[in-house]
Formats: sequence, structure tokens, C-alpha cells
Amino acid sequence: KAGVTQTPRYLIKTRGQQVTLSCSPISGHRSVSWYQQTPGQGLQFLFEYFSETQRNKGNFPGRFSGRQFSNSRSEMNVSTLELGDSALYLCASSLTGASYEQYFGPGTRLTVT
Amino acid sequence: DQQVKQNSPSLSVQEGRISILNCDYTNSMFDYFLWYKKYPAEGPTFLISISSIKDKNEDGRFTVFLNKSAKHLSLHIVPSQPGDSAVYFCAARLLSGNTPLVFGKGTRLSVIA
Repeated sequence: KAGVTQTPRYLIKTRGQQVTLSCSPISGHRSVSWYQQTPGQGLQFLFEYFSETQRNKGNFPGRFSGRQFSNSRSEMNVSTLELGDSALYLCASSLTGASYEQYFGPGTRLTVT
Repeated sequence: DQQVKQNSPSLSVQEGRISILNCDYTNSMFDYFLWYKKYPAEGPTFLISISSIKDKNEDGRFTVFLNKSAKHLSLHIVPSQPGDSAVYFCAARLLSGNTPLVFGKGTRLSVIA
């Protein structure tokens, strides 16, 4: 079975721009969660989508949004980028949900200049 | 408010010796705990888990101990190998609902040959 894939792997954007990250879960997995990893904060939960519906949301501003398509692929969008948004963005998929064992992709390294 | 705490940002251990990674939690409603390992440029991978009804779970060189009264768990790696050098994340799940896993900030383990 193919693992979780994320594109692009690396991205450099300028403050004020917007960005869209993509995640393809493991085949058959209906839950996709997004996390932000920074050196000082560890893994912080952004949101979870299950069967195209947002099921959980973390404490991030509205500039962070996401969606899930009928094939379970998910996208995450960040608008009006700030320097502090520079981080590794990880996507994780699960058969049943974000409360259970999750399988992570390699992440997208976003740098905002 | 950090519900899952890994108070040691880093740990160095000699090859062949025991590595002990610690994790404390504040919410007594957590019922399931997981450890993930993360190499640079890769997503975290699931390592081992333990249910709150147990106090020990073993898988090869890895053992997780849970002390519910102290709200403390630890991951023991014996013997430690250079390939174990990675960042280890502790995560916890709430008993009720489909709430996402709560992760600690991680501990970087360096196993020195």
C-alpha cells in the first residue's frame, strides 16, 4: 500500500501571499488531519477532515483552512502568510479518525520570507 | 495549557545502554497513549502504544510504562542503537469523542556509538 503523500515537499513564499498544500491519504483512509510542527511547539493540530466534513479544529486563526474531496484527498490553505507560519506542515491519515493511530506523510516545509 | 509534556528537549545515550524518555500529562481523562518516532525530513511513525488499563507494554527493544497515579509514562529502549537517534513524540487520546491526539513537544534522542 502506498503511504501518505504530500506535495510540494518544499515551498518558499513571501509574506502576504497565500499557499495551498496537498495531501493524498493511504487508500481506504477517510480521515485526514493536518499538523504544524515548529521547533519550539512540537506538533500542533490544525484540523481533521472525515468524509469531506471538518470534524475537529485546533486553535489556529481563520487564515488556515482546509477541505477534503470525495476521494479523501485533502488540501490546506493559508492566506495572508506571516513570517511565523514558517514550519513543517504534516498530514496524517487514519482509517477511523484523529483519535487513533495515524500515518504521517513526509511533510511540506514552508518558508515565509 | 500544555496537557502532554515532555520536559527534556534532548537526551544523549551511549550505544548499548538504556534510553529512557519521559512524558507527563495533566488530563486524567486520557485513556490511550502512543509514542511516535520522527527522523529528519520524514513524517512521524508510530512506535508503540499503551491503554490506560495496562501499566506496561513491550515490543522488542521498546517498552512503555504507564503510572496513572503519577500521570506519567516512559519509553525505554534497550539496548539503544545509533539508528534510534530521532525525535520522539508522546501523544495521548481523550476517553470520549472523536477528539484528536494531543502531542508533546518531543525529545531528541542521540545515541552515540
